[in-house]
Amino acid sequence: AQSVTQLGSHVSVSEGALVLLRCNYSSSVPPYLFWYVQYPNQGLQLLLKYTSAATLVKGINGFEAEFKKSETSFHLTKPSAHMSDAAEYFCAVSPKHGGSQGNLIFGKGTKLSVKP
Amino acid sequence: DTGVSQDPRHKITKRGQNVTFRCDPISEHNRLYWYRQTLGQGPEFLTYFQNEAQLEKSRLLSDRFSAERPKGSFSTLEIQRTEQGDSAMYLCASSLARGDSGNTIYFGEGSWLTVV
Repeated sequence: AQSVTQLGSHVSVSEGALVLLRCNYSSSVPPYLFWYVQYPNQGLQLLLKYTSAATLVKGINGFEAEFKKSETSFHLTKPSAHMSDAAEYFCAVSPKHGGSQGNLIFGKGTKLSVKP
Repeated sequence: DTGVSQDPRHKITKRGQNVTFRCDPISEHNRLYWYRQTLGQGPEFLTYFQNEAQLEKSRLLSDRFSAERPKGSFSTLEIQRTEQGDSAMYLCASSLARGDSGNTIYFGEGSWLTVV
């Protein structure tokens, strides 16, 4: 079964510092990969997705993620954190084939805090 | 495009009562999903529809949970004989399925359920 592991339930950075949120997946076939952001008491907003085109994916709000098959990773980065980036971030996978095609399997999330 | 809308946004109910949540997907989307999110966890897939057909329901948490999408447009999620463990946010999402499971899934704001 596919699964997603997000290392670090809470990450704290200073404003202007690099943001790195880690995501590893387990799948025998590289799946589709997604990063979503969730602000308090709100639903999820898609930041970016990997669907087997370019391995470096650029998303909204200056975020990007790189798919590394050899490491089964899809880490999310942003060069310079902004206070408005404080939120919870979820990595998710979707199998390319099979009965669960199209359904998302989420990690437990990483809460990002940004210090002034 | 008004996005995915959910109603009610918040519901407090007494243990043993039945509750129903409604979801209106993005108008042209043929797939509709229900997820549950508890505090400190990522969303957990429950069920999904393609048009009016419910294609996956084995993940529904118990036989107290049921979902319908009678005309392939809006959907309802009903929980019968609620228990305190049902307290969570119930998220609805929709997508346009064209045979590519990398299609973006758009989430609503969620419906918070508190069972007292």
